[in-house]
Amino acid sequence: DAKTTQPPSMDCAEGRAANLPCNHSTISGNEYVYWYRQIHSQGPQYIIHGLKNNETNEMASLIITEDRKSSTLILPHATLRDTAVYYCIYSGGYQKVTFGIGTKLQVIP
Amino acid sequence: ETGVTQSPTHLIKTRGQQVTLRCSSQSGHNTVSWYQQALGQGPQFIFQYYREEENGRGNFPPRFSGLQFPNYSSELNVNALELDDSALYLCASSFGELSYNEQFFGPGTRLTVL
Repeated sequence: DAKTTQPPSMDCAEGRAANLPCNHSTISGNEYVYWYRQIHSQGPQYIIHGLKNNETNEMASLIITEDRKSSTLILPHATLRDTAVYYCIYSGGYQKVTFGIGTKLQVIP
Repeated sequence: ETGVTQSPTHLIKTRGQQVTLRCSSQSGHNTVSWYQQALGQGPQFIFQYYREEENGRGNFPPRFSGLQFPNYSSELNVNALELDDSALYLCASSFGELSYNEQFFGPGTRLTVL
């Protein structure tokens, strides 16, 4: 099974950047890193994904280390609506997705 | 463009019964995956269907089965329900057989087994 390691919880002040780390030391060369988030009792929502280059979209930025064994999701200006569980996963080809328990991000007013 | 929908929203069953959950994929998507999410846990992969064929399965017993229809909607069937089957069941649609594309999740069906 594909496995990632994330801190179980983090706090972030509203308006500040939230930096969520993830270790994925067993990732293979053709596997992408994906980030999803899940707001209480809803289905997970796709945020961003990348292979080896840093990526940015309207929601977040993804920084992947050169050895691809870890990554950081950056929410540049966290709001209360960003309070959620954030999942880092990797998958590619025929490897199916495995979610861990994620990081519970609490944005504090 | 409609998103992924699931029905019913909530369901209560008793041990030993059978249940069918339904999922309508996002327009243009031909792959559907089903997940089980127990309270406080991340979603666990049950199986995936691509163009009506199962093309991947997680560590779930055969009493968990599924179907994908020509319009790419899908069903998850669970026989002989057990108490531990109580969970949120999520379906996710995507495009393509390989896991390179983001998945779009439905809101889930909350199943309670008494």
